[in-house]
Amino acid sequence: KAGVTQTPRYLIKTRGQQVTLSCSPISGHRSVSWYQQTPGQGLQFLFEYFSETQRNKGNFPGRFSGRQFSNSRSEMNVSTLELGDSALYLCASSGSGFPGDTQYFGPGTRLTVL
Amino acid sequence: AQSVTQLDSQVPVFEEAPVELRCNYSSSVSVYLFWYVQYPNQGLQLLLKYLSGSTLVESINGFEAEFNKSQTSFHLRKPSVHISDTAEYFCAVVSQGGSEKLVFGKGTKLTVNP
Repeated sequence: KAGVTQTPRYLIKTRGQQVTLSCSPISGHRSVSWYQQTPGQGLQFLFEYFSETQRNKGNFPGRFSGRQFSNSRSEMNVSTLELGDSALYLCASSGSGFPGDTQYFGPGTRLTVL
Repeated sequence: AQSVTQLDSQVPVFEEAPVELRCNYSSSVSVYLFWYVQYPNQGLQLLLKYLSGSTLVESINGFEAEFNKSQTSFHLRKPSVHISDTAEYFCAVVSQGGSEKLVFGKGTKLTVNP
């Protein structure tokens, strides 16, 4: 089975712009979660989608949003970019949505905001 | 809410030496516990997890972790490390009754020197 794929791998934007990141989960997986990784804050949960519904949301401002499509692919959007949004954004998928399921991570999208 | 503390941010060891990476967690509810590993410029990979049953869990590459409920710990050990074990290791918990929101520790960077 192909792993979790994320596009693009690298992105450079300027402050005030918006960005959309894409995640394709492992085939058959219905749950997709997004995490932000920075040197200072570590790994922080953004949101989780299961069967097109947002089930859980982390403590991030409303500029961060996401959605999931019927084929389980997911996108996250960040509007009005700030310098502090520079981070590695990781997507993870799992099969059944059970909390003990293994989450399979993609390689991430490295976002740099100038 | 849950929190995870990884007591050592960096652990340098020599090849073939034993290593222990420490992880303590805090939670008002029962949790599942995970160790993930991140190699440079890659996403996270599951190393091992504890859901229930035997408190000692093992990975295929020689790592093991023991769940200690009274001490709320889930330390990771390997009796003899290799250069290829150099990576960052993350301990994580998820609430048993919730959705798949992983709460991560800040990570421990393991460097294995020849």
